[in-house]
Amino acid sequence: SAVISQKPSRDICQRGTSLTIQCQVDSQVTMMFWYRQQPGQSLTLIATANQGSEATYESGFVIDKFPISRPNLTFSTLTVSNMSPEDSSIYLCSVWVQETQYFGPGTRLLVL
Amino acid sequence: QQQVKQSPQSLIVQKGGISIINCAYENTAFDYFPWYQQFPGKGPALLIAIRPDVSEKKEGRFTISFNKSAKQFSLHIMDSQPGDSATYFCAARGDYKLSFGAGTTVTVRA
Repeated sequence: SAVISQKPSRDICQRGTSLTIQCQVDSQVTMMFWYRQQPGQSLTLIATANQGSEATYESGFVIDKFPISRPNLTFSTLTVSNMSPEDSSIYLCSVWVQETQYFGPGTRLLVL
Repeated sequence: QQQVKQSPQSLIVQKGGISIINCAYENTAFDYFPWYQQFPGKGPALLIAIRPDVSEKKEGRFTISFNKSAKQFSLHIMDSQPGDSATYFCAARGDYKLSFGAGTTVTVRA
């Protein structure tokens, strides 16, 4: 199994600012993923983050808006840049461990 | 373009009843089909999963039925309990990426 923690758990931000979300896993993992869950919606993959390489972004998401760091096998950050109210969502970190994908508790972001 | 279609959007069931959620997919390259349960304010938690070479998998009160030829799979929750009230997401994996259904909100009435 994998235990994933995220910081902050929630935040309220002003438009135009940026927020960096941290994800810590209790074991070393190769692949980490960042998802967005808009209010009342399903999960959408933002990007895949592998240690030692550039993150791979899904269609509709770009590095300038969602820069990702993956400095080691247990940690990653996602930055939401130049925020607008449309960025209000839950952001979830996720990892694969032994054929199971685990999710963190999420970071609830409200942009005013 | 949603790769996994899930229905119904919501359902209400009496305690002790059966909840059934259906999903359909198009991509035959999908190789793993998990179901996640999500409570308000929490991240999704894996409930049960199946591979396409198996037609049914049961874990406790939860059963996945899988029809490879029809490209459909479903979750059955037997003897539904108020604690099962949550949102359920089906998903399908391709190239280690999960595509999620839209979710089904299940309410179990006592």
